[in-house]
Amino acid sequence: GAVVSQHPSRVICKSGTSVKIECRSLDFQATTMFWYRQFPKKSLMLMATSNEGSKATYEQGVEKDKFLINHASLTLSTLTVTSAHPEDSSFYICSARDGRGNTGELFFGEGSRLTVL
Amino acid sequence: AQSVTQLDSQVPVFEEAPVELRCNYSSSVSVYLFWYVQYPNQGLQLLLKYLSGSTLVESINGFEAEFNKSQTSFHLRKPSVHISDTAEYFCAVSANTGFQKLVFGTGTRLLVSP
Repeated sequence: GAVVSQHPSRVICKSGTSVKIECRSLDFQATTMFWYRQFPKKSLMLMATSNEGSKATYEQGVEKDKFLINHASLTLSTLTVTSAHPEDSSFYICSARDGRGNTGELFFGEGSRLTVL
Repeated sequence: AQSVTQLDSQVPVFEEAPVELRCNYSSSVSVYLFWYVQYPNQGLQLLLKYLSGSTLVESINGFEAEFNKSQTSFHLRKPSVHISDTAEYFCAVSANTGFQKLVFGTGTRLLVSP
């Protein structure tokens, strides 16, 4: 199946700094990528839909100036958490849809655990 | 819009016993249905999916799920669980028209003990 890779898998940063998380589709082109946030013992919350070459579509309640998403190529989307604070600590997971088929299936990255001190 | 309900937040079961994880969905349009599994500190892995055709779908590791349109359900079952099946299981739904986003349930933690 298709492979999606995230980097870094873990990151610890100081409050007030910015952190960038990368999501790559390794063996397919992804015109659409999705960014999810997962709270402890909670479901995955869709943050935004990232479309290659255009602005991301954010879900209601998600601060687009706080969570910057860039999808500059068909294989790479990045999520930047700007001026991170402890409440931004979470597990962030990206996913991508293989544009070759319209099956609705998403392929997920391994996730990135962000800890803000 | 779609929504998913997983009523059981945690299901404890003994090894080699059967298990059923419940999933009900709501949608005004036809849907695709998925079960994903998540092991600790990892991303999600697709377990099985229903897109069309046979309402009973199976995974390679013994899980199966049946799409029941009248009851809007997609329950996951396994006749005999292993310790290694301990994980979080998420049911998800998406509309089957175009590139629609995936909506997840709150997850069910399957705890298999010896």
